[in-house]
Amino acid sequence: GAGVSQSPSNKVTEKGKDVELRCDPISGHTALYWYRQSLGQGLEFLIYFQGNSAPDKSGLPSDRFSAERTGGSVSTLTIQRTQQEDSAVYLCASSLVSGADTGELFFGEGSRLTVL
Amino acid sequence: GNSVTQMEGPVTLSEEAFLTINCTYTATGYPSLFWYVQYPGEGLQLLLKATKADDKGSNKGFEATYRKETTSFHLEKGSVQVSDSAVYFCALLAYNTDKLIFGTGTRLQVFP
Repeated sequence: GAGVSQSPSNKVTEKGKDVELRCDPISGHTALYWYRQSLGQGLEFLIYFQGNSAPDKSGLPSDRFSAERTGGSVSTLTIQRTQQEDSAVYLCASSLVSGADTGELFFGEGSRLTVL
Repeated sequence: GNSVTQMEGPVTLSEEAFLTINCTYTATGYPSLFWYVQYPGEGLQLLLKATKADDKGSNKGFEATYRKETTSFHLEKGSVQVSDSAVYFCALLAYNTDKLIFGTGTRLQVFP
């Protein structure tokens, strides 16, 4: 596709369940970012990939959160044993090279997670 | 640490009114500064940027000037349209880092 694709667009889960969120970046984009957008909060940085490696995982809130990227393309964000405070919109973005070069990130529409 | 503060919303304006959305930042070194916009039902997209002091970024009638002395990057537009209704995010990219740091966003509502 032409843009960053995220799935599912909406996910409702019960507290304690695991969830997986998927991001398909723009073809050829080497850098991939995950952010979280909670009500009344800004975009909270979670993790950054350059290719398949993650030089910056500093934003992951706890060890229940993990992410991987395979083939320099698709990325999966996994949240284990979800809690109500995990409810948010999870945004994925990609850029052609490192965002440090241009600051231009291309965002998907997000995955809205609701934990009951 | 590095951070961005922007004015609370929503900002409600009539069409053709003048718009200002304030943004100030804290950063070590000399960051690059950005405004992103999120239209309803769409992903965030870059609106404009400025990479050094006194630079002015502009796009679609919007402007913002990088003011180092006041650590600000206020967004302005002389005459807003209904189609400008969106959420606007100020962001910075600190020197020698790879991640954008965003403000909380400001919702703009323009009525005919």
